[in-house]
Amino acid sequence: DAGVTQSPTHLIKTRGQHVTLRCSPISGHKSVSWYQQVLGQGPQFIFQYYEKEERGRGNFPDRFSARQFPNYSSELNVNALLLGDSALYLCASSGAGGLYGYTFGSGTRLTVV
Amino acid sequence: KNEVEQSPQNLTAQEGEFITINCSYSVGISALHWLQQHPGGGIVSLFMLSSGKKKHGRLIATINIQEKHSSLHITASHPRDSAVYICAVYYNTDKLIFGTGTRLQVFP
Repeated sequence: DAGVTQSPTHLIKTRGQHVTLRCSPISGHKSVSWYQQVLGQGPQFIFQYYEKEERGRGNFPDRFSARQFPNYSSELNVNALLLGDSALYLCASSGAGGLYGYTFGSGTRLTVV
Repeated sequence: KNEVEQSPQNLTAQEGEFITINCSYSVGISALHWLQQHPGGGIVSLFMLSSGKKKHGRLIATINIQEKHSSLHITASHPRDSAVYICAVYYNTDKLIFGTGTRLQVFP
Protein backbone atom coordinates (compact mmCIF):
# COMPACT_ATOMS: atom_id res chain seq x y z
CA ASP A 1 0.00 0.00 0.00
CA ALA A 2 1.46 3.37 -1.00
CA GLY A 3 2.08 5.92 1.72
CA VAL A 4 1.13 9.56 1.54
CA THR A 5 2.39 10.91 -1.77
CA GLN A 6 3.09 14.55 -2.47
CA SER A 7 3.92 16.24 -5.73
CA PRO A 8 6.02 17.86 -6.87
CA THR A 9 8.96 17.11 -4.57
CA HIS A 10 10.72 20.38 -5.37
CA LEU A 11 9.85 23.51 -7.26
CA ILE A 12 11.11 27.02 -7.75
CA LYS A 13 8.73 29.92 -8.31
CA THR A 14 9.10 33.65 -8.76
CA ARG A 15 7.56 36.23 -6.42
CA GLY A 16 3.99 36.99 -7.38
CA GLN A 17 3.36 33.65 -9.04
CA HIS A 18 0.84 31.04 -8.00
CA VAL A 19 1.60 27.47 -6.94
CA THR A 20 -0.46 24.29 -6.50
CA LEU A 21 0.78 21.45 -4.34
CA ARG A 22 -0.84 18.03 -4.36
CA CYS A 23 -1.28 15.28 -1.81
CA SER A 24 -2.71 11.78 -2.05
CA PRO A 25 -3.55 10.22 1.31
CA ILE A 26 -3.19 6.61 2.31
CA SER A 27 -6.01 4.52 0.91
CA GLY A 28 -8.93 4.65 3.33
CA HIS A 29 -7.80 7.83 5.06
CA LYS A 30 -10.39 10.58 4.79
CA SER A 31 -8.54 13.38 6.58
CA VAL A 32 -5.73 15.45 5.10
CA SER A 33 -3.78 18.18 6.87
CA TRP A 34 -1.29 20.64 5.46
CA TYR A 35 1.71 22.07 7.34
CA GLN A 36 4.37 24.62 6.50
CA GLN A 37 7.88 24.12 7.84
CA VAL A 38 10.27 27.00 7.49
CA LEU A 39 13.94 26.10 7.76
CA GLY A 40 15.00 25.57 11.35
CA GLN A 41 11.49 25.60 12.78
CA GLY A 42 8.80 23.07 13.59
CA PRO A 43 5.88 22.62 11.18
CA GLN A 44 2.97 25.06 11.42
CA PHE A 45 -0.61 24.00 10.77
CA ILE A 46 -2.23 25.47 7.64
CA PHE A 47 -5.42 23.49 6.94
CA GLN A 48 -7.23 20.30 7.73
CA TYR A 49 -9.89 18.70 5.54
CA TYR A 50 -12.13 15.80 6.42
CA GLU A 51 -14.70 14.32 4.09
CA LYS A 52 -14.11 17.21 1.67
CA GLU A 53 -14.93 19.86 4.26
CA GLU A 54 -12.54 22.28 5.91
CA ARG A 55 -12.23 21.33 9.56
CA GLY A 56 -9.50 23.71 10.64
CA ARG A 57 -7.45 26.65 9.45
CA GLY A 58 -4.20 27.97 10.86
CA ASN A 59 -3.01 31.54 11.07
CA PHE A 60 -2.17 31.97 7.39
CA PRO A 61 -3.27 34.74 5.01
CA ASP A 62 -6.06 34.33 2.49
CA ARG A 63 -3.44 33.77 -0.21
CA PHE A 64 -3.41 30.21 1.07
CA SER A 65 -6.33 28.00 0.12
CA ALA A 66 -6.98 24.30 -0.16
CA ARG A 67 -9.56 21.78 -1.18
CA GLN A 68 -10.19 18.07 -0.94
CA PHE A 69 -11.57 15.99 -3.77
CA PRO A 70 -14.08 13.10 -3.72
CA ASN A 71 -11.16 10.61 -3.80
CA TYR A 72 -9.80 12.38 -0.65
CA SER A 73 -6.73 13.75 -2.40
CA SER A 74 -6.03 17.40 -1.70
CA GLU A 75 -4.53 20.50 -3.21
CA LEU A 76 -2.89 23.43 -1.46
CA ASN A 77 -2.86 26.65 -3.44
CA VAL A 78 -0.78 29.72 -2.69
CA ASN A 79 -1.32 32.94 -4.63
CA ALA A 80 0.93 35.98 -4.97
CA LEU A 81 3.97 34.15 -3.66
CA LEU A 82 6.31 35.95 -1.31
CA LEU A 83 9.91 35.13 -0.50
CA GLY A 84 8.76 34.14 2.98
CA ASP A 85 6.60 31.38 1.53
CA SER A 86 9.77 29.41 0.82
CA ALA A 87 9.42 26.32 2.98
CA LEU A 88 8.81 22.61 3.11
CA TYR A 89 5.10 21.91 2.76
CA LEU A 90 4.03 18.72 4.44
CA CYS A 91 0.84 16.76 4.00
CA ALA A 92 -0.41 14.28 6.59
CA SER A 93 -3.31 11.89 6.35
CA SER A 94 -5.26 10.16 9.07
CA GLY A 95 -8.29 7.94 9.38
CA ALA A 96 -10.59 10.30 11.19
CA GLY A 97 -8.43 12.78 13.03
CA GLY A 98 -5.48 13.02 15.33
CA LEU A 99 -6.53 10.35 17.76
CA TYR A 100 -5.93 7.71 15.11
CA GLY A 101 -2.40 8.83 14.28
CA TYR A 102 -0.95 10.60 11.29
CA THR A 103 1.11 9.47 8.31
CA PHE A 104 3.22 12.15 6.69
CA GLY A 105 4.31 12.60 3.13
CA SER A 106 7.88 13.48 2.21
CA GLY A 107 6.93 17.07 1.53
CA THR A 108 7.23 19.57 -1.27
CA ARG A 109 10.14 21.97 -0.99
CA LEU A 110 9.09 25.33 -2.42
CA THR A 111 11.67 28.01 -3.15
CA VAL A 112 10.45 31.47 -4.06
CA VAL A 113 13.02 33.69 -5.76
CA LYS B 1 5.63 31.24 24.87
CA ASN B 2 5.26 28.21 22.61
CA GLU B 3 2.51 25.79 23.49
CA VAL B 4 4.96 22.91 23.03
CA GLU B 5 8.50 23.21 24.36
CA GLN B 6 11.28 20.76 23.65
CA SER B 7 14.68 20.39 25.23
CA PRO B 8 17.43 20.30 24.42
CA GLN B 9 17.40 22.05 21.04
CA ASN B 10 20.61 20.35 20.00
CA LEU B 11 22.17 17.18 21.31
CA THR B 12 25.37 15.37 20.43
CA ALA B 13 26.24 11.92 21.67
CA GLN B 14 28.76 9.16 21.23
CA GLU B 15 27.56 5.88 19.80
CA GLY B 16 26.14 3.70 22.54
CA GLU B 17 25.02 6.51 24.84
CA PHE B 18 21.54 6.69 26.37
CA ILE B 19 19.66 9.72 25.09
CA THR B 20 16.68 11.59 26.51
CA ILE B 21 14.66 14.28 24.77
CA ASN B 22 12.00 16.14 26.72
CA CYS B 23 8.71 17.74 25.72
CA SER B 24 6.43 19.94 27.82
CA TYR B 25 3.06 21.33 26.82
CA SER B 26 0.82 23.93 28.34
CA VAL B 27 -2.77 22.64 28.22
CA GLY B 28 -4.62 19.35 28.40
CA ILE B 29 -4.23 17.20 25.32
CA SER B 30 -5.85 14.18 23.71
CA ALA B 31 -2.64 12.64 22.37
CA LEU B 32 1.06 13.32 21.92
CA HIS B 33 3.18 12.28 18.96
CA TRP B 34 6.90 11.74 18.69
CA LEU B 35 8.14 12.19 15.13
CA GLN B 36 11.50 11.74 13.43
CA GLN B 37 12.60 13.98 10.57
CA HIS B 38 15.69 13.19 8.51
CA PRO B 39 17.56 15.65 6.27
CA GLY B 40 15.43 16.15 3.18
CA GLY B 41 12.33 16.59 5.26
CA GLY B 42 10.33 13.37 5.37
CA ILE B 43 8.64 12.82 8.73
CA VAL B 44 8.14 9.40 10.28
CA SER B 45 5.73 8.87 13.13
CA LEU B 46 7.49 7.04 15.98
CA PHE B 47 4.87 6.96 18.71
CA MET B 48 1.44 8.23 19.58
CA LEU B 49 0.75 8.36 23.33
CA SER B 50 -2.17 9.34 25.47
CA SER B 51 -0.91 7.75 28.68
CA GLY B 52 1.86 5.61 30.13
CA LYS B 53 4.75 4.25 28.13
CA LYS B 54 5.45 2.70 24.75
CA LYS B 55 8.52 0.85 23.49
CA HIS B 56 9.64 0.04 19.99
CA GLY B 57 13.08 -1.46 19.58
CA ARG B 58 15.60 0.91 21.15
CA LEU B 59 13.06 3.71 21.45
CA ILE B 60 10.96 4.34 24.54
CA ALA B 61 8.38 7.08 24.97
CA THR B 62 6.71 8.06 28.22
CA ILE B 63 4.08 10.60 29.09
CA ASN B 64 2.92 12.09 32.40
CA ILE B 65 -0.47 13.65 31.80
CA GLN B 66 -0.63 15.36 35.21
CA GLU B 67 2.76 17.03 34.73
CA LYS B 68 2.09 17.74 31.02
CA HIS B 69 5.43 16.21 30.11
CA SER B 70 6.74 13.51 27.79
CA SER B 71 10.17 12.02 27.19
CA LEU B 72 11.67 10.12 24.29
CA HIS B 73 14.56 7.83 25.18
CA ILE B 74 16.99 6.15 22.81
CA THR B 75 19.02 3.31 24.26
CA ALA B 76 22.38 2.28 22.75
CA SER B 77 22.33 5.20 20.31
CA HIS B 78 23.73 4.74 16.83
CA PRO B 79 24.82 7.19 14.13
CA ARG B 80 21.75 6.26 12.09
CA ASP B 81 19.63 7.74 14.89
CA SER B 82 20.92 11.18 13.87
CA ALA B 83 17.86 13.21 12.93
CA VAL B 84 15.53 15.88 14.23
CA TYR B 85 13.05 14.57 16.77
CA ILE B 86 9.80 16.50 17.04
CA CYS B 87 7.11 16.39 19.67
CA ALA B 88 3.59 17.27 18.52
CA VAL B 89 0.39 17.45 20.54
CA TYR B 90 -3.21 16.99 19.51
CA TYR B 91 -5.79 19.07 21.35
CA ASN B 92 -8.85 17.56 19.70
CA THR B 93 -9.05 20.66 17.52
CA ASP B 94 -8.23 18.85 14.28
CA LYS B 95 -4.63 19.98 14.17
CA LEU B 96 -1.23 19.11 15.54
CA ILE B 97 0.84 21.68 17.41
CA PHE B 98 4.53 21.01 16.92
CA GLY B 99 7.55 21.71 19.03
CA THR B 100 10.60 23.18 17.31
CA GLY B 101 12.44 19.89 17.39
CA THR B 102 15.64 18.49 18.87
CA ARG B 103 18.54 18.00 16.50
CA LEU B 104 20.42 14.85 17.49
CA GLN B 105 23.83 13.91 16.16
CA VAL B 106 25.36 10.60 17.18
CA PHE B 107 29.04 10.17 16.41
CA PRO B 108 30.79 6.82 15.99
